[in-house]
Amino acid sequence: AQSVAQPEDQVNVAEGNPLTVKCTYSVSGNPYLFWYVQYPNRGLQFLLKYITGDNLVKGSYGFEAEFNKSQTSFHLKKPSALVSDSALYFCAVRDIGSGTYKYIFGTGTRLKVLA
Amino acid sequence: NAGVTQTPKFQVLKTGQSMTLQCAQDMNHEYMSWYRQDPGMGLRLIHYSVGAGITDQGEVPNGYNVSRSTTEDFPLRLLSAAPSQTSVYFCASSHRTGKSNEQYFGPGTRLTVT
Repeated sequence: AQSVAQPEDQVNVAEGNPLTVKCTYSVSGNPYLFWYVQYPNRGLQFLLKYITGDNLVKGSYGFEAEFNKSQTSFHLKKPSALVSDSALYFCAVRDIGSGTYKYIFGTGTRLKVLA
Repeated sequence: NAGVTQTPKFQVLKTGQSMTLQCAQDMNHEYMSWYRQDPGMGLRLIHYSVGAGITDQGEVPNGYNVSRSTTEDFPLRLLSAAPSQTSVYFCASSHRTGKSNEQYFGPGTRLTVT
């Protein structure tokens, strides 16, 4: 069965420091991987995706993610964190192989960037 | 494009009442889905649809019904509301296949059942 794990409930980082939010996945077939961000009292916004191609994917607001097939990971990164990056981040995988096309989400990681 | 719209934004129900949460998208997306978001639980899939006339259950379908008579609309019906259904509900849509795979989310409906 497809699954996504976000091992950290919360990540704290100082403004200006690099940040990493971790995600590992389990999927049969080629993975379709996504990161979303949720600001308070808002819906989820798409950040970036990996479908095929380069393992380093660049997305919105300076975020990037590295696809690592051998470690089945898709960690979200940013070289220099901003206070405004503080939000809830979700990793997701799309189940293409079974033909259902469902998205499976992790439980989310709350990022706090400290001034 | 309005994107994904949801109504209402807030709703309070009494136990046993029924209601329908509305969801519409204007992006000609084949795939639509409903999630509920509860603290510490992430997003849980309630029902989804891969096209008009086709629906299927997600991981928490009990107490909810859906229908997909058009590509644009995907209403979620609560049959007999229970306090356990107090949650924030999100509708989302995407293309079923192709390179543009990402889901677009509506703003959510905050439901309280007393």
